[in-house]
Amino acid sequence: DAKTTQPPSMDCAEGRAANLPCNHSTISGNEYVYWYRQIHSQGPQYIIHGLKNNETNEMASLIITEDRKSSTLILPHATLRDTAVYYCIVRAANRDDKIIFGKGTRLHILP
Amino acid sequence: DAGVIQSPRHEVTEMGQEVTLRCKPISGHNSLFWYRQTMMRGLELLIYFNNNVPIDDSGMPEDRFSAKMPNASFSTLKIQPSEPRDSAVYFCASTPTGYLTYNEQFFGPGTRLTVL
Repeated sequence: DAKTTQPPSMDCAEGRAANLPCNHSTISGNEYVYWYRQIHSQGPQYIIHGLKNNETNEMASLIITEDRKSSTLILPHATLRDTAVYYCIVRAANRDDKIIFGKGTRLHILP
Repeated sequence: DAGVIQSPRHEVTEMGQEVTLRCKPISGHNSLFWYRQTMMRGLELLIYFNNNVPIDDSGMPEDRFSAKMPNASFSTLKIQPSEPRDSAVYFCASTPTGYLTYNEQFFGPGTRLTVL
């Protein structure tokens, strides 16, 4: 079973920030939070990952709460091309854990 | 780099036929993964290889499924005999180092399999 809980769907207006939440209340100390997204008819695409500090790259920002039980993926200026299913995944980086994709959040960017 | 290459992109076959899906990982990547995606079950890991050796095949649904990686640049997933419930999109992914050290997975475009 996936170790994360995400809302099934969200809407966001084009040009606004999209904030996608993820709950991972049973996360262990050595487990990272990863985000992937899957645009329709394509394979999943890596976005970002982090352990406990906030992370930012050219695609998004990842905010992890101090207790690490939840996180938020932020797309700062959403465009129509960001319409996709976003998966939050928890996994240890140095153990033989399978990457388990849950059902994710279907993000609709509205024009 | 062309990314992970999968063929065919679409396959329609009849129940009982053998199906072979092919994957070419990104050059230099030494871990390869096969996933299956359906509406009901989502994205499931079937098997992964490290340095051409199968490491974990516990996700392979049954003996009708088999996977090989004869060299670092090619892998196959075979279903024999195929059944309608095997209809799904099959993804191949690769990473530059071993599974035990996380690296982002690079996914191919997938093969959409329909078994009639």
